[in-house]
Amino acid sequence: DGGITQSPKYLFRKEGQNVTLSCEQNLNHDAMYWYRQDPGQGLRLIYYSQIVNDFQKGDIAEGYSVSREKKESFPLTVTSAQKNPTAFYLCASSILQGTTEAFFGQGTRLTVV
Amino acid sequence: GESVGLHLPTLSVQEGDNSIINCAYSNSASDYFIWYKQESGKGPQFIIDIRSNMDKRQGQRVTVLLNKTVKHLSLQIAATQPGDSAVYFCAENIGGGSYIPTFGRGTSLIVHP
Repeated sequence: DGGITQSPKYLFRKEGQNVTLSCEQNLNHDAMYWYRQDPGQGLRLIYYSQIVNDFQKGDIAEGYSVSREKKESFPLTVTSAQKNPTAFYLCASSILQGTTEAFFGQGTRLTVV
Repeated sequence: GESVGLHLPTLSVQEGDNSIINCAYSNSASDYFIWYKQESGKGPQFIIDIRSNMDKRQGQRVTVLLNKTVKHLSLQIAATQPGDSAVYFCAENIGGGSYIPTFGRGTSLIVHP
């Protein structure tokens, strides 16, 4: 089945550690996105990529890094520079043309312990 | 700031009632709008979309209305069911080809049996 897969579903991190969240899609979508969601809040854009080997900062990119070495994969690294990393992280993909929806993964809940 | 927002953070209804969720947008260049439903602990899922050349679009039990004059979007759910309980987001696409889904804070719909 085609879709977008995030792993792991739950992730625990010690303060000062970097962690990487996985996002894979087999929808042949050019565009991929990472969002952060805090309780009772909307989705805030962290990074997005519209083509392999290229990506752009979103509204809250500080403390995060990404790579897009393959069309299917867009991993997000939460670095130790991110002051408040505990949140629900959502990955999405879409085709590049504007009149289409984004497809979301099931999310990764990151908790700093 | 956000260009897409919602008037009410929480909406409580009785099962069987009709629900109306509102959304305001600020960018008059937006030409495509989507409503997403997010159940607890999951990623958002597409419900219905509408292009700017339309005023109304109907799906199964859902209707989206677009008022471009006042930059307002609404989602109507007929005969609301407990399974409709979720957070609802509207998202907009600004015309020009670079599609970056932009979300508001969301409205939590609570359906009481």
